[in-house]
Amino acid sequence: EAGVAQSPRYKIIEKRQSVAFWCNPISGHATLYWYQQILGQGPKLLIQFQNNGVVDDSQLPKDRFSAERLKGVDSTLKIQPAKLEDSAVYLCASSRTGQGTTQYFGPGTRLLVL
Amino acid sequence: AQTVTQSQPEMSVQEAETVTLSCTYDTSESDYYLFWYKQPPSRQMILVIRQEAYKQQNATENRFSVNFQKAAKSFSLKISDSQLGDAAMYFCAYYSGGGADGLTFGKGTHLIIQP
Repeated sequence: EAGVAQSPRYKIIEKRQSVAFWCNPISGHATLYWYQQILGQGPKLLIQFQNNGVVDDSQLPKDRFSAERLKGVDSTLKIQPAKLEDSAVYLCASSRTGQGTTQYFGPGTRLLVL
Repeated sequence: AQTVTQSQPEMSVQEAETVTLSCTYDTSESDYYLFWYKQPPSRQMILVIRQEAYKQQNATENRFSVNFQKAAKSFSLKISDSQLGDAAMYFCAYYSGGGADGLTFGKGTHLIIQP
């Protein structure tokens, strides 16, 4: 079974530029999560999708971050415009539907904003 | 809101020895799930072990076992016969199971394995 795929693996941009990250979850996983992991900290949930609907985006900075999940499969996370404090690793995870199901993580995208 | 605390920023253990990583959490719920994830330098989060709060029996996965103390809200990870490949960041995580929450992570413990 293929794991969660993410691209790109690394991205360097100037502040105020825009950037997009892509995630392909494990086949059959209805729930998809985006986490932000700042250096030295644990990941923090940004947004959770159930199929193509948003379940929780309470911690997503909506003035600059947006996310979508087309057709309930792939997802993209966009930052526009980027700030220096957005430098982090962005992790995508997926899980089957159901309480307490295990979340499986992708390799992450490391973003550096200069 | 739930919080997860890992009080050991770094731990060091000799190869083949046993080490215990600590985790405490705060919640008002009675039904939830706890996880330990491993994050090597490659940054990929790998599930080590999970525990359902309604189960009194401590979870075990090969060399990895937990000591789950629900009343004390404690969830420690024991690694037996430590191997060089165990070196990584270890994160304790909480999940409420309500369906609308992601994982709440601690700040992590950096585990060093000395040969």
